[in-house]
Amino acid sequence: DTAVSQTPKYLVTQMGNDKSIKCEQNLGHDTMYWYKQDSKKFLKIMFSYNNKELIINETVPNRFSPKSPDKAHLNLHINSLELGDSAVYFCASSQGTGGGYGYTFGSGTRLTVV
Amino acid sequence: KNQVEQSPQSLIILEGKNCTLQCNYTVSPFSNLRWYKQDTGRGPVSLTIMTFSENTKSNGRYTATLDADTKQSSLHITASQLSDSASYICVVSAPGGGNKLTFGTGTQLKVEL
Repeated sequence: DTAVSQTPKYLVTQMGNDKSIKCEQNLGHDTMYWYKQDSKKFLKIMFSYNNKELIINETVPNRFSPKSPDKAHLNLHINSLELGDSAVYFCASSQGTGGGYGYTFGSGTRLTVV
Repeated sequence: KNQVEQSPQSLIILEGKNCTLQCNYTVSPFSNLRWYKQDTGRGPVSLTIMTFSENTKSNGRYTATLDADTKQSSLHITASQLSDSASYICVVSAPGGGNKLTFGTGTQLKVEL
């Protein structure tokens, strides 16, 4: 199936731990994103990569570090997890960066920090 | 500051009825406006995308309208079905690189028997 797939779907971890979320797309898109959806369902962009290069880096704590080994993968590593990091994280991809292209979202990773 | 506001925040309708969701935005300049449907526990799925020159776009029972002068859009759902129960998110894009989108907070729609 052509899609954006994220793993894991659920992640429960203790404060202070380090965790990673992986994302892969097989749509042939050249741009990938990480979004955070808070408890109020508001989606906010965190990072965007185009052909493995970082092009958007919003005001995100430097505990969050994205890594794009190739244009089909964009992983998110989070150090020293805090309670406020609990949210649903969505990966997305698009072809192009000019704003006129459709996005395809993954199903999300629900992160719970306890 | 670019903003996208949606109303109502939540809505309950009976199956078979029509409904209209509203989106007002302050994003300027403007490139395109999208409506997404997000089922519980899933990622958003694109319903329609309109540029500033388009007034209306349909996708099955979903019809989106756009008034770029008043910066308003609406999503009309015809003959609602139980499967339409979801969050509907309005997303506005500004032109230029980086593909930054401004998301609305969504309208939570519940369709009941």
